Amino acid sequence: SQTIHQWPATLVQPVGSPLSLECTVEGTSNPNLYWYRQAAGRGLQLLFYSVGIGQISSEVPQNLSASRPQDRQFILSSKKLLLSDSGFYLCAWTRGRDEQYFGPGTRLTVT
Amino acid sequence: ILNVEQSPQSLHVQEGDSTNFTCSFPSSNFYALHWYRWETAKSPEALFVMTLNGDEKKKGRISATLNTKEGYSYLYIKGSQPEDSATYLCAFCESRDKIIFGKGTRLHILP
Repeated sequence: SQTIHQWPATLVQPVGSPLSLECTVEGTSNPNLYWYRQAAGRGLQLLFYSVGIGQISSEVPQNLSASRPQDRQFILSSKKLLLSDSGFYLCAWTRGRDEQYFGPGTRLTVT
Repeated sequence: ILNVEQSPQSLHVQEGDSTNFTCSFPSSNFYALHWYRWETAKSPEALFVMTLNGDEKKKGRISATLNTKEGYSYLYIKGSQPEDSATYLCAFCESRDKIIFGKGTRLHILP
């Protein structure tokens, strides 16, 4: 069966510090991978998606970036965090029309 | 910019009552529509994947309908129970890779 992992679960970092969130998927190959963010009081916002290794599409221009160095690994990064980057970050995977399977999420607080 | 609207934003329903809420989406370039259930402190979980106009799906007391020509989907919950309290998200898929979430309907079941 497929499993999706995200870490860390919780993160508190100061403004201006770098960020690296990791997501890995097990039990499937060549999945589409997604990064979402839910900011306080807002819905789920798609940040990046990837259809293959090294292929990243950005939905919202901001100070975040994503990379997919391996088929089942998706990384969300920032060189310098802003206060507005605080939120709940979810990684998800899917195949075609199928529903998305979400990871457990990372709660990021930028102080 | 594609818009996926969900209404109402929040809903309080007495236990045992039935309820429904709406997801509106663009009526062009339809690929699929997903419904998710998102409980507090958990990750969203898929309820339904709907792909054809006129689709009706059912899972226990929860059902959904789809009208792609007019761009809406309804989610129905029959005989609400406390465990139904959650945020219900719909997601419009414009293509295999592009998915846009609504902001969700937050459902509170009153005992």
